[in-house]
Amino acid sequence: EAGVVQSPRYKIIEKKQPVAFWCNPISGHNTLYWYLQNLGQGPELLIRYENEEAVDDSQLPKDRFSAERLKGVDSTLKIQPAELGDSAVYLCASSFSDLNTGELFFGEGSRLTVL
Amino acid sequence: QKEVEQDPGPLSVPEGAIVSLNCTYSNSAFQYFMWYRQYSRKGPELLMYTYSSGNKEDGRFTAQVDKSSKYISLFIRDSQPSDSATYLCAMRRQGGKLIFGQGTELSVKP
Repeated sequence: EAGVVQSPRYKIIEKKQPVAFWCNPISGHNTLYWYLQNLGQGPELLIRYENEEAVDDSQLPKDRFSAERLKGVDSTLKIQPAELGDSAVYLCASSFSDLNTGELFFGEGSRLTVL
Repeated sequence: QKEVEQDPGPLSVPEGAIVSLNCTYSNSAFQYFMWYRQYSRKGPELLMYTYSSGNKEDGRFTAQVDKSSKYISLFIRDSQPSDSATYLCAMRRQGGKLIFGQGTELSVKP
């Protein structure tokens, strides 16, 4: 069974440029998450989707970040314009539903460097 | 103060040692406790899950939850070089979002 697929794995851009990350969750998983992981820190939730609905986006900086999950499957996270402080790993995760068991399946992440 | 506190390490032990990893938390509503393992440049993967208080054992790994002290632990017996990774505690209340600790970087030397 294929895991969560993210692309690109690595991205280097200059500040003020736009960037987009793509995530394909595990088939059948209706809950999708985007997390931000800074160096030496644990993941922090940016947004959670139940199917195509964003049910928790309270931590998403909406002035520059946007996300969508069309048709309740793949998702895209966009940053425009990028700032130096956005350099981090962006992790996508999925689960069957927002289970309390915490069994989230993570992708390998998209590592962003903003110069 | 963060809701979940975890010593970032790094922690270096010889092969075969018993490893103890710990987290403290402040929210008494947390009921679901997990340990994730994250290898370098990979995403986290669920290692152990515990509901409420008590112990859970899985092979060389034992997870303990002490809700009265707001303290959780992960023990690794007979540690192996392949256990070298960052270990993240995570927890949530009923219906709440998963909160991760900072992660402890573990290195097991042959």
